[in-house]
Amino acid sequence: QQPVQSPQAVILREGEDAVINCSSSKALYSVHWYRQKHGEAPVFLMILLKGGEQKGHEKISASFNEKKQQSSLYLTASQLSYSGTYFCGTEKGGSNYKLTFGKGTLLTVNP
Amino acid sequence: EADIYQTPRYLVIGTGKKITLECSQTMGHDKMYWYQQDPGMELHLIHYSYGVNSTEKGDLSSESTVSRIRTEHFPLTLESARPSHTSQYLCASSELGPIENQYFGPGTRLLVL
Repeated sequence: QQPVQSPQAVILREGEDAVINCSSSKALYSVHWYRQKHGEAPVFLMILLKGGEQKGHEKISASFNEKKQQSSLYLTASQLSYSGTYFCGTEKGGSNYKLTFGKGTLLTVNP
Repeated sequence: EADIYQTPRYLVIGTGKKITLECSQTMGHDKMYWYQQDPGMELHLIHYSYGVNSTEKGDLSSESTVSRIRTEHFPLTLESARPSHTSQYLCASSELGPIENQYFGPGTRLLVL
């Protein structure tokens, strides 16, 4: 079952914060976050595990709410380099480690 | 740094032709994947493999086939290309395990006329 990402798109000015959400109707084992810049391949950001703690990557962090089956990606003091499409990939556990990706959130950071 | 390669990067071909998209990785990863992605859209898993002689179909039905004869090599073949196959094809690999991140290749952009 494909996870639902929100918002679909967000426009920021440099230095502003943003939150991207990823929700599933199924129990999740892990949530993976990737960023894809235009014309490039997706690049891994972080993994959130069931029962795990909030993870961080530079000024990007994420959390995993098991009760809601939702993960949130927090971008703090955004930089121009943060622009791109953010995808969450969810893994149900027992699914042979396949990821199902959401439709993505297009983030644009302007000067 | 990830070492995963795809060739060709761009391919324009006529309907009915047989094509093979190449994917190779030098990281010794057991798991490899093929995704299909239309511009601005999500990634759809079409094939994956856990190792040599292991191949499985993904969530999105595809007319393509794959093989895994060597650990480092995971080619995708279309026996008869059609315009509906026009898309970007991304190859990825990861170590074997439940929480391993995937490394993506640069992709092949396929246009079938």
